[in-house]
Amino acid sequence: GQQVMQIPQYQHVQEGEDFTTYCNSSTTLSNIQWYKQRPGGHPVFLIQLVKSGEVKKQKRLTFQFGEAKKNSSLHITATQTTDVGTYFCAGPGNDYKLSFGAGTTVTVRA
Amino acid sequence: KAGVTQTPRYLIKTRGQQVTLSCSPISGHRSVSWYQQTPGQGLQFLFEYFSETQRNKGNFPGRFSGRQFSNSRSEMNVSTLELGDSALYLCASSLSGGSGSGQFFGPGTRLTVL
Repeated sequence: GQQVMQIPQYQHVQEGEDFTTYCNSSTTLSNIQWYKQRPGGHPVFLIQLVKSGEVKKQKRLTFQFGEAKKNSSLHITATQTTDVGTYFCAGPGNDYKLSFGAGTTVTVRA
Repeated sequence: KAGVTQTPRYLIKTRGQQVTLSCSPISGHRSVSWYQQTPGQGLQFLFEYFSETQRNKGNFPGRFSGRQFSNSRSEMNVSTLELGDSALYLCASSLSGGSGSGQFFGPGTRLTVL
């Protein structure tokens, strides 16, 4: 079945630095979704990418969908303490089930 | 609009018992999906309901079941509880279906099986 892999599993970042988390699928995706889950909270929908090579920005967050629609990335610039949490990517398989990656858990050193 | 609500928020049960969890989606959302989240397995898809019909099902045993009512509210039931069923159960709603559009999650029900 379709699998979505995320790396790294953990990201320890100094406040003010940039980082990137990557998402790879074993199959071509019709779309990729990104979610953020704060500690003790629930996943919150951030964005959906649909087109090959699509790039979308939300303030300091930049989301990219690969040309082959099998990978995606989330880049955060000038990390702040509010960026703490786990970031998940999710993509639908051929069976239309949404498969979530294991997530990248981000901690920030002030 | 009010967000997705789930009840109860916390539940403690013993092995062998059964449990019913409830989810009220965002008004106008017809798709409701259920997920199990554990530290070891991450977010695992349980099932999706759309207009009272189960549209998709994950790889969980038959002890896990669900249903959706005409007002789009959904319930999931777990029978003969096992220790491994301890998890955060999340419900998510969307307009047309979680695989094609973003999902909006509720706060979850934390189930502990003793």
